[in-house]
Amino acid sequence: GAGVSQTPSNKVTEKGKYVELRCDPISGHTALYWYRQSLGQGPEFLIYFQGTGAADDSGLPNDRFFAVRPEGSVSTLKIQRTERGDSAVYLCASSPVGLVLETQYFGPGTRLLVL
Amino acid sequence: GEDVEQSLFLSVREGDSSVINCTYTDSSSTYLYWYKQEPGAGLQLLTYIFSNMDMKQDQRLTVLLNKKDKHLSLRIADTQTGDSAIYFCAERNQAGTALIFGKGTTLSVSS
Repeated sequence: GAGVSQTPSNKVTEKGKYVELRCDPISGHTALYWYRQSLGQGPEFLIYFQGTGAADDSGLPNDRFFAVRPEGSVSTLKIQRTERGDSAVYLCASSPVGLVLETQYFGPGTRLLVL
Repeated sequence: GEDVEQSLFLSVREGDSSVINCTYTDSSSTYLYWYKQEPGAGLQLLTYIFSNMDMKQDQRLTVLLNKKDKHLSLRIADTQTGDSAIYFCAERNQAGTALIFGKGTTLSVSS
């Protein structure tokens, strides 16, 4: 079946603009995760959804970052007033129900460049 | 807090064994993971080990866990050029809600 998909694959924006990044998880997966990977670093956790609700948003760096998952499937990561330091690859992952043992399946990521 | 450390680079010749090392800080980690990232591709889970195990073997991959020293290693036997990638060690955060990744080890395999 289809894996995790993310759109757009690349996004270039100007400092101060608003961006939305979309994630389509594997069908039926209730757990969804967002990570951010800066150049030369490993992925860093941002937020975890269990169904429609954000079960853990402790990784969001500040209030410019927000994510939603209104119907428990597709999720959108929203970044307001973008800064150059927001440039990174944003990764989405999903797993069946969110158990510790479960494999997290990662999408290819959205590469965000803030000029 | 949780932290995962890895050496950044490893260079080997085709056919040799590769050993990638990782140290972690959270002694309560139940599962530890190895992920592979190839250019332009998503993160791929290679293998994982449960904390009550010392070793796990899966074809060319061998994972060794030393809980006392909080040290994890991944051995790739008969390394091939297709194994060239970045390898990430990861543990679960204390809440169990996310993965904590190291910075990754870039494996370069020359023929």
